[in-house]
Amino acid sequence: SQQGEEDPQALSIQEGENATMNCSYKTSINNLQWYRQNSGRGLVHLILIRSNEREKHSGRLRVTLDTSKKSSSLLITASRAADTASYFCATDAEGNTPLVFGKGTRLSVIA
Amino acid sequence: DAMVIQNPRYQVTQFGKPVTLSCSQTLNHNVMYWYQQKSSQAPKLLFHYYDKDFNNEADTPDNFQSRRPNTSFCFLDIRSPGLGDAAMYLCATSRSMDWTYEQYFGPGTRLTVT
Repeated sequence: SQQGEEDPQALSIQEGENATMNCSYKTSINNLQWYRQNSGRGLVHLILIRSNEREKHSGRLRVTLDTSKKSSSLLITASRAADTASYFCATDAEGNTPLVFGKGTRLSVIA
Repeated sequence: DAMVIQNPRYQVTQFGKPVTLSCSQTLNHNVMYWYQQKSSQAPKLLFHYYDKDFNNEADTPDNFQSRRPNTSFCFLDIRSPGLGDAAMYLCATSRSMDWTYEQYFGPGTRLTVT
């Protein structure tokens, strides 16, 4: 299975701190995506990083990808209470297969 | 705003009573997906349509069926819901299935089976 595995499963931090979540996967990929899910809601796409990219930024988000280690990290800087959500990585194997989501990291940002 | 809409947001059905969940999109995307998500778990793909081509995941139970009468609408039919089918059902769309696509999700329908 190519399913990503997020680490840690749960993370609790104070507002203003940085949050780092990691994702590992098993097979070669075309791209890796990160999604956010607020409690009881659908997923929202955050960022996509291609297999030939090593780092990508979007606002307070920084994503890195290490294809040699089959891992990615999502860094949220200067966290806010509104960042409280579950964060999922999703990968698609080469060959245009559907995305497969990991189990997610539950982030709690305490004001 | 272009979006993915799911109705109803909450659905209660009885054990064994057929239920249909609906999804519509104004994005004019070619691909529509249905996911099942149980508490604290990853969304699990049930099936997807690329235009009218239906693709069933290998481990999707026969109890789950889908219809896509046109580009905008897609339905999930659960023929005989069991207690284990209680979950959040997420509909998503994407422009295509090339390797740069992102998915757009609806808010989900939470299904309760009594």
